[in-house]
Amino acid sequence: QLVLTQSPSASASLGASVKLTCTLSSGHSSYAIAWHQQQPEKGPRYLMKLNSDGRHNKGDGIPDRFSGSSSGAERYLTISTLQSEDEADYYCQTWGTGGVFGGGTKLTVL
Amino acid sequence: QVQLVQSGGGVVQPGRSLRLSCGASGFTFSSYAMHWVRQAPGKGLEWVAVISYDGSNKDSADSVKGRFTISRDNSKNTLYLQMNSLRAEDTAVYYCAKGTTVVTPGNENFDYWGQGTLVTVSS
Repeated sequence: QLVLTQSPSASASLGASVKLTCTLSSGHSSYAIAWHQQQPEKGPRYLMKLNSDGRHNKGDGIPDRFSGSSSGAERYLTISTLQSEDEADYYCQTWGTGGVFGGGTKLTVL
Repeated sequence: QVQLVQSGGGVVQPGRSLRLSCGASGFTFSSYAMHWVRQAPGKGLEWVAVISYDGSNKDSADSVKGRFTISRDNSKNTLYLQMNSLRAEDTAVYYCAKGTTVVTPGNENFDYWGQGTLVTVSS
């Protein structure tokens, strides 16, 4: 069964960097994922598609501060030079026999 | 630029029906799969349904199968979600989302989202 696992929460200081993790379930390490950001009281926003080899394609207007990388079944989203507006929920998403979302990581910028 | 503008939604009694619409612009609508995704209050995102670029293939989550129907009118650049036999647990913000040209396992993602519309099922 295809499952995406994310830590429920993360925190980092203003101006620092943070690395969020999304883990694909066994047998699905070749799958691409997408990262989506949801700021408080707003709809989701597509950040990037991230392939198993680490190549990623970012959405329109996504700052260079956002980058992705991969290792095995792990998919990462790194946000550098954290800003207050980066405080949001971050979801990873992929596709099996239907759409699959991770549970989301709530990022707090201290 | 790509825009997905949603309409419909509101408060409806259990067992009743509702139709959501999603108007698309800024891309060749007839070339892309389209999706509906929902988010219950305080919860995460849940995929609801997909329709292929030409409408020939559809699929939906088990939680809505047999009650919700996704459709599209490529001449009007519009996506629909017909929701029948609504239940309290269908209460959520519903989003339409643009997919890729061909849906394949491990390679489908949603690269644009509508603004969302709230559906409340309550007596």
